[in-house]
Amino acid sequence: EDQVTQSPEALRLQEGESSSLNCSYTVSGLRGLFWYRQDPGKGPEFLFTLYSAGEEKEKERLKATLTKKESFLHITAPKPEDSATYLCAVQGETSGSRLTFGEGTQLTVNP
Amino acid sequence: DVKVTQSSRYLVKRTGEKVFLECVQDMDHENMFWYRQDPGLGLRLIYFSYDVKMKEKGDIPEGYSVSREKKERFSLILESASTNQTSMYLCASSLPNQGGYTFGSGTRLTVV
Repeated sequence: EDQVTQSPEALRLQEGESSSLNCSYTVSGLRGLFWYRQDPGKGPEFLFTLYSAGEEKEKERLKATLTKKESFLHITAPKPEDSATYLCAVQGETSGSRLTFGEGTQLTVNP
Repeated sequence: DVKVTQSSRYLVKRTGEKVFLECVQDMDHENMFWYRQDPGLGLRLIYFSYDVKMKEKGDIPEGYSVSREKKERFSLILESASTNQTSMYLCASSLPNQGGYTFGSGTRLTVV
């Protein structure tokens, strides 16, 4: 059974204070690891897909990295508009198109 | 702008009612999914469909059914709503074997 654990559950940062969110996973053959952003009262918005260890993807102040056991979402010099819940999900070899989601990290960036 | 549209943002229903949640996508995606999201439990898969008239049970199908008569539309049915089905319901779609889902904005259902 695929499993995803995200930490911390919640994170408060000051504007400009860089940090990282963690996503640990166990999966029977990783086909993809996905990061989503979810604003309150809305559906998740797709951010990145990572396929193999060592891969990195960047978008504005966000950079996602992947190892064989975990992924990090690095947030550089965050702004208040980066406040959201960040979800991690994995797709295993036997999952078809199904994803297993973590519970998310709620990020708050104070001005 | 491609999107997934859920028919209602907020819905209040009475216990025992039959409830229909509608989802339409305009991206010609084969896969469609229904999740519910609850605090502390994350996203849980209810049902999914890989093609028209096909459906597969997810992790928590009890008390729910689905219908996919057309490629673009995937309906979630609560046969007899109960208070423990109060939740945020999210519909998503994707291409085959792709994990980059496009989600709708969600329907917050309250059963009283």
